[in-house]
Amino acid sequence: EAQVTQNPRYLITVTGKKLTVTCSQNMNHEYMSWYRQDPGLGLRQIYYSMNVEVTDKGDVPEGYKVSRKEKRNFPLILESPSPNQTSLYFCASSLRAANEKLFFGSGTQLSVL
Amino acid sequence: GESVGLHLPTLSVQEGDNSIINCAYSNSASDYFIWYKQESGKGPQFIIDIRSNMDKRQGQRVTVLLNKTVKHLSLQIAATQPGDSAVYFCAEKEGYGGATNKLIFGTGTLLAVQP
Repeated sequence: EAQVTQNPRYLITVTGKKLTVTCSQNMNHEYMSWYRQDPGLGLRQIYYSMNVEVTDKGDVPEGYKVSRKEKRNFPLILESPSPNQTSLYFCASSLRAANEKLFFGSGTQLSVL
Repeated sequence: GESVGLHLPTLSVQEGDNSIINCAYSNSASDYFIWYKQESGKGPQFIIDIRSNMDKRQGQRVTVLLNKTVKHLSLQIAATQPGDSAVYFCAEKEGYGGATNKLIFGTGTLLAVQP
């Protein structure tokens, strides 16, 4: 089944403890992206990747890192999480570009205490 | 994700009625639009898209209308069913084309289908 898989589904952590949220897609998509979703703000892009080893900042990149060493994987790294990073995170992918329809993962609900 | 429905405008319809969900977009140069459905606890799911050279596109039970004059997009759902209950939001592609242009998402409308 074609899908975008995120893990974990839920995560509770404490301020300053590094964490990684994994994302993998099995559709051979070139474009991948991370979003956060907060009430009243809609989806905001954190980072995106046009292809392997090509990443760039989105609208709200502060406090986050990403890597794209393989085409299928695009992990999101929070080196030192803070409470304002408590949010619902979505990974998404599309075949070639940001201007095509995106396929989303099921989301990761992160709480930073 | 379970709290994404808070603070959203809500459209309440009776099962079997038609639903119309509206979206105002911001950029007159946007040339591609998508509607997504997000059920509670799930990721957004593609419903239908439309390019700016069209003013109407139909799918299965859904129709998207685009009015570029007033920068307005609507999603019509025919014979609304309980399974249609979700948050619906539109997205527009900013810019003038090219692979790096990104989608800008609206905040959404909560559709509540009453049995």
